[in-house]
Amino acid sequence: NAGVTQTPKFQVLKTGQSMTLQCAQDMNHNSMYWYRQDPGMGLRLIYYSASEGTTDKGEVPNGYNVSRLNKREFSLRLESAAPSQTSVYFCASGWTSGSYNEQFFGPGTRLTVL
Amino acid sequence: SQQGEEDPQALSIQEGENATMNCSYKTSINNLQWYRQNSGRGLVHLILIRSNEREKHSGRLRVTLDTSKKSSSLLITASRAADTASYFCAMGGEGTSGSRLTFGEGTQLTVNP
Repeated sequence: NAGVTQTPKFQVLKTGQSMTLQCAQDMNHNSMYWYRQDPGMGLRLIYYSASEGTTDKGEVPNGYNVSRLNKREFSLRLESAAPSQTSVYFCASGWTSGSYNEQFFGPGTRLTVL
Repeated sequence: SQQGEEDPQALSIQEGENATMNCSYKTSINNLQWYRQNSGRGLVHLILIRSNEREKHSGRLRVTLDTSKKSSSLLITASRAADTASYFCAMGGEGTSGSRLTFGEGTQLTVNP
């Protein structure tokens, strides 16, 4: 099993450009998440999808959109990139089952916006 | 939203010593989890403790939870150079937010050989 995969691994954008970060999981998890991590900080939730067909905003959703394409795939789109969106983006997946909701993370996408 | 604060921000120890990291949070939780992040990599789940548990062990890891003080600690015994990483606590909320986690800012652990 590949676990959680993310593409691309690195990306450089100019201000105003758009791009989509792709995420896929093969563990049959119902929930998927997008986080950003800035230097020296913990993870902040951008958007999540508790189940196929639903998406909800997290702590820092402004400037982002998401699509839960199917149970396996959850994409994050930056419509008009800004330097403040320079960060490392992590996708995660997990089950939503009461007390046991540990998450499994992808390797991350390192995005620089010039 | 819940916030987690971790203490210390950085910890440097010698191989073989024990490492203790602390996490405090503000609101009620369903569970508390600890994750490890090696430099440049994604997070890896280490251990989960439910709100009705006080202590849990997994190999060289020992986690305690004190819900009255809204705090948790992670103890790594007999540390190894390979334990060098950042460690994050994450709070799982109650009710409909149960699928979400709120992460602390992490403790950077360096284990010197």
